[in-house]
Amino acid sequence: EPEVTQTPSHQVTQMGQEVILRCVPISNHLYFYWYRQILGQKVEFLVSFYNNEISEKSEIFDDQFSVERPDGSNFTLKIRSTKLEDSAMYFCASQFGAADTQYFGPGTRLTVL
Amino acid sequence: AQKITQTQPGMFVQEKEAVTLDCTYDTSDPSYGLFWYKQPSSGEMIFLIYQGSYDQQNATEGRYSLNFQKARKSANLVISASQLGDSAMYFCAMREGRGNKLVFGAGTILRVKS
Repeated sequence: EPEVTQTPSHQVTQMGQEVILRCVPISNHLYFYWYRQILGQKVEFLVSFYNNEISEKSEIFDDQFSVERPDGSNFTLKIRSTKLEDSAMYFCASQFGAADTQYFGPGTRLTVL
Repeated sequence: AQKITQTQPGMFVQEKEAVTLDCTYDTSDPSYGLFWYKQPSSGEMIFLIYQGSYDQQNATEGRYSLNFQKARKSANLVISASQLGDSAMYFCAMREGRGNKLVFGAGTILRVKS
């Protein structure tokens, strides 16, 4: 069964460093999302991406964040200069059509020291 | 105002019994979808069940069913014949319109006792 994959599973970085979180959505899916979950808290939406552009972003998704779909299969989230409060689990999700189910990847746990 | 409310921070259920996890939602969009996800201690988000606002019947997927009461804006998850492996965090989520983000509730931790 096709699934969303994410790499790495765990990333440790120093404050101020850039990180790139990678996702491979399910191959025929058209809608892509990033969410984050700070430990013990609810899942929060970051950004949605459709037709090679951002369709919606949250207040969290400020200028430090960017997304890219560089090659038609990968979907990346870049954090330019990480802060301590960026420590969280980051989930990528994808769905085929506008009314379909979102399937989540296993997440990348980001720890900023 | 909270879009998704899960009022039960934690629940216990005896193995083999049924359990209901509550979820209420708030939206003025006539087209919306309601989702339940399971998050085990390993952290991944596993899709369980979906209910569309226009669906006439309650959704079912194996041991999972969704008690959808549109007038009351509730979408409770019912797990029948609980198993030890059902112990996890359960999130209710809503999508308003089409192609849009999911908004999650705070979650309910379910513990199944043997």
